[in-house]
Amino acid sequence: GNSVTQMEGPVTLSEEAFLTINCTYTATGYPSLFWYVQYPGEGLQLLLKATKADDKGSNKGFEATYRKETTSFHLEKGSVQVSDSAVYFCALSDRGTDKLIFGTGTRLQVFP
Amino acid sequence: GAGVSQSPRYKVAKRGQDVALRCDPISGHVSLFWYQQALGQGPEFLTYFQNEAQLDKSGLPSDRFFAERPEGSVSTLKIQRTQQEDSAVYLCASGGRVRAQGGEQYFGPGTRLTVT
Repeated sequence: GNSVTQMEGPVTLSEEAFLTINCTYTATGYPSLFWYVQYPGEGLQLLLKATKADDKGSNKGFEATYRKETTSFHLEKGSVQVSDSAVYFCALSDRGTDKLIFGTGTRLQVFP
Repeated sequence: GAGVSQSPRYKVAKRGQDVALRCDPISGHVSLFWYQQALGQGPEFLTYFQNEAQLDKSGLPSDRFFAERPEGSVSTLKIQRTQQEDSAVYLCASGGRVRAQGGEQYFGPGTRLTVT
């Protein structure tokens, strides 16, 4: 079945460091791929998405590229801020029902 | 309000009690999803509605779980005879004016259920 695997956290960085959170997926067909973010005390928010191979999603300085050949959708940011501290979830959508299948989440902690 | 709302935000139930969790989706959204998020885990799919039709309930963990959306807007997730393993955050999400359009969903704040 479809599944998502993302790197375990926590990821601890200093402000302005480069961020990569790895995400790989297993799916039949061509799913859409997403990164959702959960800030402390808040609900899940869509961060970015890509709907087909080689698409790059980007938002708030974050970006991820849909790589069909490596079945990956790694999240990157060139310079993190303390306010980026949150839990990040990689997800794919099942094209039949659009239900989302999530990874286990990666906690990012950014220190000044 | 423009977002998805859920109530109650917190619920404590004694084992064996029945609970009902409510979701108000974004107005006009056709798709509605329920997910269960255990502590430290990603959300897991429970069930999916398109308007009032429940098209997929493959994620409901047992027949103690029941969901409805009778008029195609508000939805209720009911858990009968709650067990400790039901303790989790229950998330509702809605999406799209036709379908979720490639999976983009808008999440509510969740209901944290604790079964004692």
